[in-house]
Amino acid sequence: EVQLVESGGGLVRPGGSLRLSCAGSGFTLSTYSMSWVRQAPGKGLEWVSSISSSSHIYYADSVKGRFTISRDNGKNLLHLQMDSLRAEDTALYYCAKDPVASTRERDSWGQGTLVSVSS
Amino acid sequence: SYVLTQPPSVSVAPGKTARITCGGNNIGGKSVHWYQQKPGQAPVLVIYYDSDRPSGIPQRFSGSNSGNTATLTISRVEDGDEADYYCQVWDSSTDHRVFGGGTKLTVL
Repeated sequence: EVQLVESGGGLVRPGGSLRLSCAGSGFTLSTYSMSWVRQAPGKGLEWVSSISSSSHIYYADSVKGRFTISRDNGKNLLHLQMDSLRAEDTALYYCAKDPVASTRERDSWGQGTLVSVSS
Repeated sequence: SYVLTQPPSVSVAPGKTARITCGGNNIGGKSVHWYQQKPGQAPVLVIYYDSDRPSGIPQRFSGSNSGNTATLTISRVEDGDEADYYCQVWDSSTDHRVFGGGTKLTVL
């Protein structure tokens, strides 16, 4: 069974940093496209970043230059390094395994980790 | 940047059919995914690649996509279908994943 468990969220001051992690089980994380999606309190879903199986990396304009997505293949982990955090980065951050077009394999989501940016 | 437009809310009586639209410039040329999100829960994929249904999703859920509008159709709506629904595409011109603003489905 595919499972994703996020960790690393917390309260941080504006300008600070946090590193989120997402532990995958039941599949090999490096062979799939993976994404981070966030949801501010009471708001909709917002895509943050994706890394493809071939390691192409993509960022939303709102986080480009401040956030870095990466994988630790040996530990089956996905990371999101978040620097220069702003109040508007406050959200529940989900890790997701993306669906696969060629095989129609479905996606999977974690339960999220909460990031609060406040002074 | 590519924009997906959804109605903020849709209301439907139990047993009737709900249709939730997702508008975007030539969205018919893209693959659309639909997510259901209930309060306090992670999103659940209910339709992917325009009209495919993941295992475990009832046949009451269907999708279509043509021109500038994609549509999620829920037949014989049940109380348990009350949730927020989001459409999503990958915009290859910007290499960005884009979500619609979400539609709150209320079962009357």
